[in-house]
Amino acid sequence: AQSVAQPEDQVNVAEGNPLTVKCTYSVSGNPYLFWYVQYPNRGLQFLLKYITGDNLVKGSYGFEAEFNKSQTSFHLKKPSALVSDSALYFCAVRDDNYKLSFGAGTTVTVRA
Amino acid sequence: SAVISQKPSRDICQRGTSLTIQCQVDSQVTMMFWYRQQPGQSLTLIATANQGSEATYESGFVIDKFPISRPNLTFSTLTVSNMSPEDSSIYLCSVDRGSGRHEQYFGPGTRLTVT
Repeated sequence: AQSVAQPEDQVNVAEGNPLTVKCTYSVSGNPYLFWYVQYPNRGLQFLLKYITGDNLVKGSYGFEAEFNKSQTSFHLKKPSALVSDSALYFCAVRDDNYKLSFGAGTTVTVRA
Repeated sequence: SAVISQKPSRDICQRGTSLTIQCQVDSQVTMMFWYRQQPGQSLTLIATANQGSEATYESGFVIDKFPISRPNLTFSTLTVSNMSPEDSSIYLCSVDRGSGRHEQYFGPGTRLTVT
């Protein structure tokens, strides 16, 4: 079975500071990993994915994620956070049948 | 990306009744999924609804409670039957365009409150 873990319920950063949201995964085969963001009262928005290739993947809104196979991690990063980045972030892993398993989510608060 | 709409966006229903949620996609897709997000929780897959086959349900979800239709490649419905307050959740549909793009897109969700 596959799963992801987001060890932090909340992340608080000041605007302009780097933002990191942590995710670790467990899969039996090749990992297909994703990050989604959910703003209040809105659906999930796709941020980025890792399928294969470069370990550093770039996505929407200036976000990037680093895939680390030895640490089984896929941390989401943004060099300079904005207040508008405050939202709920989900890490997910996909199986061979295209089913997504989500982490518990991390609430990011960026203070001005 | 894909443009996905859901109806209704929210509803308040009485215990024992049923609600049918519609999901419409702007283009043809083979793979469609239904998820549930309970208050303050993560997303849980209810079922996979691929056109041309019966929906396949995840552990803990049954067809009698959550019947699904998939009449064509752009549309699906999920019915929440004989509702109880425990069914109060956000229900989201999602699609995977396939073709090696490996991207799954979500509708805006239907916020259901059962009283």
